[in-house]
Amino acid sequence: DAKTTQPNSMESNEEEPVHLPCNHSTISGTDYIHWYRQLPSQGPEYVIHGLTSNVNNRMASLAIAEDRKSSTLILHRATLRDAAVYYCIPLYNAGNMLTFGGGTRLMVKP
Amino acid sequence: DTEVTQTPKHLVMGMTNKKSLKCEQHMGHRAMYWYKQKAKKPPELMFVYSYEKLSINESVPSRFSPECPNSSLLNLHLHALQPEDSALYLCASSQGFKGLSNQPQHFGDGTRLSIL
Repeated sequence: DAKTTQPNSMESNEEEPVHLPCNHSTISGTDYIHWYRQLPSQGPEYVIHGLTSNVNNRMASLAIAEDRKSSTLILHRATLRDAAVYYCIPLYNAGNMLTFGGGTRLMVKP
Repeated sequence: DTEVTQTPKHLVMGMTNKKSLKCEQHMGHRAMYWYKQKAKKPPELMFVYSYEKLSINESVPSRFSPECPNSSLLNLHLHALQPEDSALYLCASSQGFKGLSNQPQHFGDGTRLSIL
């Protein structure tokens, strides 16, 4: 199983970009990298996923290192609503089984 | 609002009670999941159903009994729970399970369970 390392917490100012890093050095070639976030008192919410290329959607961008041992979730303009725990999750063995690590708690200051 | 609906939102029960948690989705998803989340911890997978059949049981005690009566509905039957079972129970669904690691899971907001 791929093991992930994320900072415990990060802080950002509102309307500034945020880069959330994740190391997943044991990832294999077919493992997708998923990101979820969990806002207070809610269930986890899918953010974005990718395999090799950088990905963009309406919520965020995902930058994947060329060797795939790390990735960075980019929130282009943080809002107060983005304050949440962000989880980086490699999905291994071509199955859809999420194993959540500790995640990064993002705090956004007005 | 989430597309996965869980009821009830809160449940308080004694250790001798029997109760059930319910989860419903109408997205046509064929995989459904139960997770347990203790306070300030990440969610932990309990069960996976694929096409209404139990695919994964993560060594969950038998006092938790899952059921998938149809492709839209997932239940978790509870009996003789312990105080340490107090947690947030999350349900999720996805298009499929095996070979579909590029499909996101959609989560409900959970049932907060307290065991007295």
